[in-house]
Amino acid sequence: GENVEQHPSTLSVQEGDSAVIKCTYSDSASNYFPWYKQELGKGPQLIIDIRSNVGEKKDQRIAVTLNKTAKHFSLHITETQPEDSAVYFCAASNQAGTALIFGKGTTLSVSS
Amino acid sequence: DGGITQSPKYLFRKEGQNVTLSCEQNLNHDAMYWYRQDPGQGLRLIYYSQIVNDFQKGDIAEGYSVSREKKESFPLTVTSAQKNPTAFYLCASSILQGTGVEKLFFGSGTQLSVL
Repeated sequence: GENVEQHPSTLSVQEGDSAVIKCTYSDSASNYFPWYKQELGKGPQLIIDIRSNVGEKKDQRIAVTLNKTAKHFSLHITETQPEDSAVYFCAASNQAGTALIFGKGTTLSVSS
Repeated sequence: DGGITQSPKYLFRKEGQNVTLSCEQNLNHDAMYWYRQDPGQGLRLIYYSQIVNDFQKGDIAEGYSVSREKKESFPLTVTSAQKNPTAFYLCASSILQGTGVEKLFFGSGTQLSVL
């Protein structure tokens, strides 16, 4: 089945710097790649997503890039702020397209 | 307010006991999911359901059971066969499109601990 690898597991940046989180997936049939942000004690919330027919998508300070050939996708956060501190998860659709398989998460810490 | 509601927020299980976690949604979503979250392990798929009276096993279904008698409800039972049940359990729902799975909306989770 689908396997999603996420790196790094922890990331510390200074306020205003950029942060990049990378994921790889194993199943070439995957066609949907969302990113979620989870704050302590809460459920994850979608922050951006991309489909396999698109190479890049941007929403204000957040962008996602997808390389289908290499089977990897990345989250880019620019001008980081302390409120960006959270756990971020990437995910990929399973082979049947019926569920999401998640990476193990990246704990982002933004210090002011 | 529309959303997905999980209850209880905290739950304790005694040895040999079955416990049931509740998940209700009023978003009129067709699909519902259960994930288990352990520290450093991400979210692992337990069960999911796309229509009433039908559900599929995820990657870690052993020791768990579900039912989908109503579109709005997808309860998860953690049975005594699940030897390591302590975890944060997340329920989610989504619409179904011809292109496949769409954005998942998550509940606020249930923390299950063993006494």
